[in-house]
Formats: sequence, structure tokens, C-alpha cells
Amino acid sequence: GENVEQHPSTLSVQEGDSAVIKCTYSDSASNYFPWYKQELGKRPQLIIDIRSNVGEKKDQRIAVTLNKTAKHFSLHITETQPEDSAVYFCAATNAGGTSYGKLTFGQGTILTVHP
Amino acid sequence: DAGVTQSPTHLIKTRGQQVTLRCSPKSGHDTVSWYQQALGQGPQFIFQYYEEEERQRGNFPDRFSGHQFPNYSSELNVNALLLGDSALYLCASSLTRRSTGELFFGEGSRLTVL
Repeated sequence: GENVEQHPSTLSVQEGDSAVIKCTYSDSASNYFPWYKQELGKRPQLIIDIRSNVGEKKDQRIAVTLNKTAKHFSLHITETQPEDSAVYFCAATNAGGTSYGKLTFGQGTILTVHP
Repeated sequence: DAGVTQSPTHLIKTRGQQVTLRCSPKSGHDTVSWYQQALGQGPQFIFQYYEEEERQRGNFPDRFSGHQFPNYSSELNVNALLLGDSALYLCASSLTRRSTGELFFGEGSRLTVL
């Protein structure tokens, strides 16, 4: 089955700096890679996703890149703000295949943005 | 448009007891997946229901069972509770027809087993 590794486990930055979180996956059949933000005691919320037919996607201060050959994808947050502080999870799945809907999550990154 | 709703939000059980958790999917969604999130960990896939049948299952014992009703809502049942079952149980809904892969999560049911 799929295995997703996420690094770093904790990340501390100053407000205004950039933050980068990296994930690798093992199953070459995976074609959908979402990123979720989870605040303390809250549900995971989708912040951005990317499919295997594109290499990069951007939404305001957030961007995700995908390298299918190396089987890794990354989340980039620019101009970080204190409200970006949360746990971030990457995930992978084969959307539309036999494992549809079965997301495999990374271990999470605790991002702390200091004012 | 109501999102994914789960009940109860919190509950405490003792070892050996049984628990039932409930989930109503986002309006228009037909598929429900259940995840277990232990403290400090990423969510782990338990199983998924579509057309009232279990379509996929993760690496969880038979003590974990579920059901989907004709209105697409779902239940997760856990028998013979163990201390290690303490976790946040997340329900996620999606649409199999015209699937995009995107899941919408509920706020979860936090189970504590004493």
C-alpha cells in the first residue's frame, strides 16, 4: 500500500518568512495530493491540492509542487502570518482507482509562526 | 449548505464497552469514509462506505464495523473497546460520481476509553 513520509515534524518561523514542508510517497499509482491544515481541536481543512497532471499550483500565499519522477511534493507558504500556525498534513491517493477516497496521510508538521 | 456533521462530539467509555458514532455527509455526497486520528498523528483510514456497502477497508480489526443508510448517513461501531482506541474519529464525505478525490471532514468525535 501507499506510504507517505512528511518532514519536518516541527517548523518554527518568524512572521513574514517562508515555510516549506516536504512529503514523499511510495505508490506510483497515486495521482491526487491534498494538503490539510488542522488547528487544535478542529477538523482537517483542505487548503490546496494538486493532481499528477500538473507540476505546480498556486493559491495566493500557498503553493504546492509535485515531482512525479522523484515521488515527492512540497507545500510552500510565503509571507507567513501567526494565523498560519497549525498542524499541516500531506496526503496521497489514487483518485478514481480502486483505492479511491482512501487518503494516506503523512505524520504532520507543527508550524509555529512567531509575531 | 450543511457540511459534514458528526455526533457525539465527545464521549467517555470504559474498556470492554461498545460505542456507536454517527455521521451525516455533506449535502449531495454519496460516500462516507472513517478515519482514526490518535493524538499527535495523522488520520488513519478505517473504511469507506458507498451504496450501503463497505467498499474499502484499512488495517483495522473486525471490532470496527460500520453501516451506511439509504440517506447516505453512516455509523461507526467499535466493540470490546481497548485503551488504545482512544482517539479522534473523523468522518469524511465525498462524491463517487464525478469524483474529484476531494474529501470533506467533519469536526470529529473524540473518544476516551478509561
